[in-house]
Amino acid sequence: GALVYQYPRRTICKSGTSMRMECQAVGFQATSVAWYRQSPQKTFELIALSTVNSAIKYEQNFTQEKFPISHPNLSFSSMTVLNAYLEDRGLYLCGARGTTNSDYTFGSGTRLLVI
Amino acid sequence: GDSVTQTEGPVTVSESESLIINCTYSATSIAYPNLFWYVRYPGEGLQLLLKVITAGQKGSSRGFEATYNKETTSFHLQKASVQESDSAVYYCALGLTGNTGKLIFGLGTTLQVQP
Repeated sequence: GALVYQYPRRTICKSGTSMRMECQAVGFQATSVAWYRQSPQKTFELIALSTVNSAIKYEQNFTQEKFPISHPNLSFSSMTVLNAYLEDRGLYLCGARGTTNSDYTFGSGTRLLVI
Repeated sequence: GDSVTQTEGPVTVSESESLIINCTYSATSIAYPNLFWYVRYPGEGLQLLLKVITAGQKGSSRGFEATYNKETTSFHLQKASVQESDSAVYYCALGLTGNTGKLIFGLGTTLQVQP
């Protein structure tokens, strides 16, 4: 079946440092990858969306300079939180889908704590 | 803008009781969004519970059901008889169709089913 793995599951970083998280789609060829963040007491907010043959599109309030994303192909995506501060803590969720009309499959998330 | 409002949790019910989690949406960027319910069990990622893409239709899965009501812009989640294993966080979401596939989530409702 279609699965999405994210790692690490949980990580702690010092304020002002950076943290990289990874996302891998298994069992299907991803054509779209979406990164979401759930901050404490908030819902999931879309950070950026990558679609095959298109540039990565960042949502308002999120920038490439802060959350650079790279992927050799969409089945493997990584995102870095640069210069992390307290407001960056939360659960980072990656979702991938195989075709335009299919549903996203989500990973278990990477929980980021900033101290 | 596009938004989703759902029952504020936690919601506590006893096993075999009925359940309703309210969800209303506002869709300004699209006339007929897709509507979803996702569930997140402890320690796991988001899983799609059910979805409906046509107004007036009902979706069902694992004993849960929800009807897409365009007149009241609602998509309430119901179950006639809950089980302890249904304890989880439930998210109502609105999907922007097409190439973006962007999902707008509600805040989530924590359901606690007591034995």
